[in-house]
Amino acid sequence: AQSVTQPDIHITVSEGASLELRCNYSYGATPYLFWYVQSPGQGLQLLLKYFSGDTLVQGIKGFEAEFKRSQSSFNLRKPSVHWSDAAEYFCAVGAEAGGTSYGKLTFGQGTILTVHP
Amino acid sequence: DTGVSQDPRHKITKRGQNVTFRCDPISEHNRLYWYRQTLGQGPEFLTYFQNEAQLEKSRLLSDRFSAERPKGSFSTLEIQRTEQGDSAMYLCASSLLGRQTYEQYFGPGTRLTVT
Repeated sequence: AQSVTQPDIHITVSEGASLELRCNYSYGATPYLFWYVQSPGQGLQLLLKYFSGDTLVQGIKGFEAEFKRSQSSFNLRKPSVHWSDAAEYFCAVGAEAGGTSYGKLTFGQGTILTVHP
Repeated sequence: DTGVSQDPRHKITKRGQNVTFRCDPISEHNRLYWYRQTLGQGPEFLTYFQNEAQLEKSRLLSDRFSAERPKGSFSTLEIQRTEQGDSAMYLCASSLLGRQTYEQYFGPGTRLTVT
């Protein structure tokens, strides 16, 4: 079964500092990988996705993530954090096409990002 | 296009009561998903529909839970005989089948509190 681990429950950074949120996955085949962001009281918004090809993917709001198969990781990065980035971030893995679970997402437990001015 | 909507946004109920939530997906989306999110956890998959067909149900979905999508448009999730452990945020998402299947658009959620 697929699973996702986000080792950091809570991260605090200063505004303008760089950010890296860690994500490790477990999946038997080529994973489809995602990062979502959730602000308080809001639904989840897709930041970026990896299906195949270039292992460095760009997303919205200046975020990027790098897929490293050898490390089973898909870490999210941003070079300079803004106060508005404070939210909870979820990494997710999806099952590949061909099975009934296609489309189903398995999420990590999330990382809460606090941004200090 | 107003996005995915869910109703109600909040529901407080007493243990043993039945509750029903509604989700209206983005109009052209043929896939609809339900997830449950408890405090401090990521969303957990409950079930999904492709048009009106319910294609998969999680083992989390006990016999007290039932979901429908009668005409392939809106969906309802009913919980019978609610228990305190059912308290959670219930999230609905929709997507298009195909390459965009994983571009799931989430609604704001329905927060259920069982007292």
